Amino acid sequence: GENVEQHPSTLSVQEGDSAVIKCTYSDSASNYFPWYKQELGKGPQLIIDIRSNVGEKKDQRIAVTLNKTAKHFSLHITETQPEDSAVYFCAASRGVLNAGGTSYGKLTFGQGTILTVHP
Amino acid sequence: GAVVSQHPSWVICKSGTSVKIECRSLDFQATTMFWYRQFPKQSLMLMATSNEGSKATYEQGVEKDKFLINHASLTLSTLTVTSAHPEDSSFYICSAKGQSKGNTIYFGEGSWLTVV
Repeated sequence: GENVEQHPSTLSVQEGDSAVIKCTYSDSASNYFPWYKQELGKGPQLIIDIRSNVGEKKDQRIAVTLNKTAKHFSLHITETQPEDSAVYFCAASRGVLNAGGTSYGKLTFGQGTILTVHP
Repeated sequence: GAVVSQHPSWVICKSGTSVKIECRSLDFQATTMFWYRQFPKQSLMLMATSNEGSKATYEQGVEKDKFLINHASLTLSTLTVTSAHPEDSSFYICSAKGQSKGNTIYFGEGSWLTVV
């Protein structure tokens, strides 16, 4: 089955700096890679995702890059703010193309990264 | 995005009793729902996958008679922890996906279960 490794486990940055979290996956058939932000006591919130037909995706201060050959993908947060402090999880999934579009199966999560942004 | 709601947000129950947690997709029809368990400072562990109208598929090591999952409609799945014990205390999270939301997986807010 799929195995996702995430690093670092903790990351501490100053407000305004950039933060980078990296994940590797083992199943070359995985083709969907979402990132989730989880605040204390809450469920994970999807912040950005990327599919294997693109190498990079950006949404304001957040970007994700994907290297299919090396089987790794990264989350980049620029101009970090204290409210970015949370636990971030990467995940991988295998999608199947059917008549209704692409359907993605279960997610395999990384171990999580505790991001702390100091004011 | 999409809205996935869980109820209750937190519950305390006595050992030996059963407790039910609901997961609802509020603005889309969820053909598939997933149930996770999360221990403090750990990642999410998939317990089971449920497709509407069929039996849930449980992950290895998860007791199906202990954690009963029902996905009776396209907007509701329930997890029932039967004969709960203190070691069942955990944060339970559901997620759901549907074609109208591009099959992207959205999570609920989670439910804290404490068994005393």
